[in-house]
Amino acid sequence: AQSVTQPDIHITVSEGASLELRCNYSYGATPYLFWYVQSPGQGLQLLLKYFSGDTLVQGIKGFEAEFKRSQSSFNLRKPSVHWSDAAEYFCAVGYNNNDMRFGAGTRLTVKP
Amino acid sequence: NAGVTQTPKFRVLKTGQSMTLLCAQDMNHEYMYWYRQDPGMGLRLIHYSVGEGTTAKGEVPDGYNVSRLKKQNFLLGLESAAPSQTSVYFCASSRDLTGGETQYFGPGTRLLVL
Repeated sequence: AQSVTQPDIHITVSEGASLELRCNYSYGATPYLFWYVQSPGQGLQLLLKYFSGDTLVQGIKGFEAEFKRSQSSFNLRKPSVHWSDAAEYFCAVGYNNNDMRFGAGTRLTVKP
Repeated sequence: NAGVTQTPKFRVLKTGQSMTLLCAQDMNHEYMYWYRQDPGMGLRLIHYSVGEGTTAKGEVPDGYNVSRLKKQNFLLGLESAAPSQTSVYFCASSRDLTGGETQYFGPGTRLLVL
């Protein structure tokens, strides 16, 4: 069955520290892969997406993600976290917009 | 250009009451979606629409109905609300159905069913 797993429910990092959020998926062939961010009281905003090509994808707000086919992973990274990055982050996978599978989300807290 | 808007932002219902959530988009998108977001479960697709006058079931359609009478609007109805429908509801739209097309999300409607 198709599934998306975000193993970390909640992560706390200090401002200026690096960040890595994990995402693993179980799918047939390689689907589209996405990372979304949801700030409190807001809808989801697309950070980046991947389907083919370079396995390191650059997104908005200084985020990047790396696709590793052998590990069925699409982890999100940021070299230096800012307080404004505190939010909930969702990984999503799918072939079409009507069959997207979203992970349960990882809540990021940023310590001053 | 407001993007995707949702009304209301918050609503409290009693079990058995009905209500309609409104989603509007001004991007001329053909495709629109209704999701629910529950703690620990991410977003799940309720219904979607591939154009004016057409709707289809998503992953969790039971207890909901939808209508797309105008291209810019997508309505989600609860005929007889149940506590299990307490959730945050998000509407989204996209230009195309393929996964490569970005979905644009509204700010959400928080629904509490007592």
